[in-house]
Amino acid sequence: EAQVTQNPRYLITVTGKKLTVTCSQNMNHEYMSWYRQDPGLGLRQIYYSMNVEVTDKGDVPEGYKVSRKEKRNFPLILESPSPNQTSLYFCASSFLAVGTGELFFGEGSRLTVL
Amino acid sequence: KQEVTQIPAALSVPEGENLVLNCSFTDSAIYNLQWFRQDPGKGLTSLLLIQSSQREQTSGRLNASLDKSSGRSTLYIAASQPGDSATYLCAADTQGGSEKLVFGKGMKLTVNP
Repeated sequence: EAQVTQNPRYLITVTGKKLTVTCSQNMNHEYMSWYRQDPGLGLRQIYYSMNVEVTDKGDVPEGYKVSRKEKRNFPLILESPSPNQTSLYFCASSFLAVGTGELFFGEGSRLTVL
Repeated sequence: KQEVTQIPAALSVPEGENLVLNCSFTDSAIYNLQWFRQDPGKGLTSLLLIQSSQREQTSGRLNASLDKSSGRSTLYIAASQPGDSATYLCAADTQGGSEKLVFGKGMKLTVNP
């Protein structure tokens, strides 16, 4: 089954404790991206990757890091989480060919930073 | 800068009605426009993708149209059912490779039995 898998789905942590949210896709997609979704603000892009070893900032990259060492994986790293990073996070992927960019989303990871 | 607007933010209707959901965008230079569905606590599911050269796409009871010149897309849902209750989001692709999708904030639809 074609899917984007995120882990963990739910996480409560404390300020400053490093954490990683993993994302894996099994569709051989070149493009992967991380979004956060907040009430009243909608979906905002954090980082994206066009292919292995190619990453770029989205609209709200501060406080986050990413890496793309393998095509299927795109982890999101919070080096020192803060309460304003409490949010619902989504990973997404798609093929890159122009006009075919149907985006597939993971189920989401709800993060609470105390 | 592209802005995508969905009005109204919420809609409640009785079962069986035909619905039109609106999506407006400010920059007509888009590659495609996608409609998504989001169920509570879940990720987004792509419903329809309309390429800039197309005027509409259909899938079952769903039909999406695109009018670039007026900066509008509409999602038409025929014979609505309670199972259609969800939040619907549209997103405009301004770069052609998904990297700069701009999302609307969504419209929460409730279909009452």
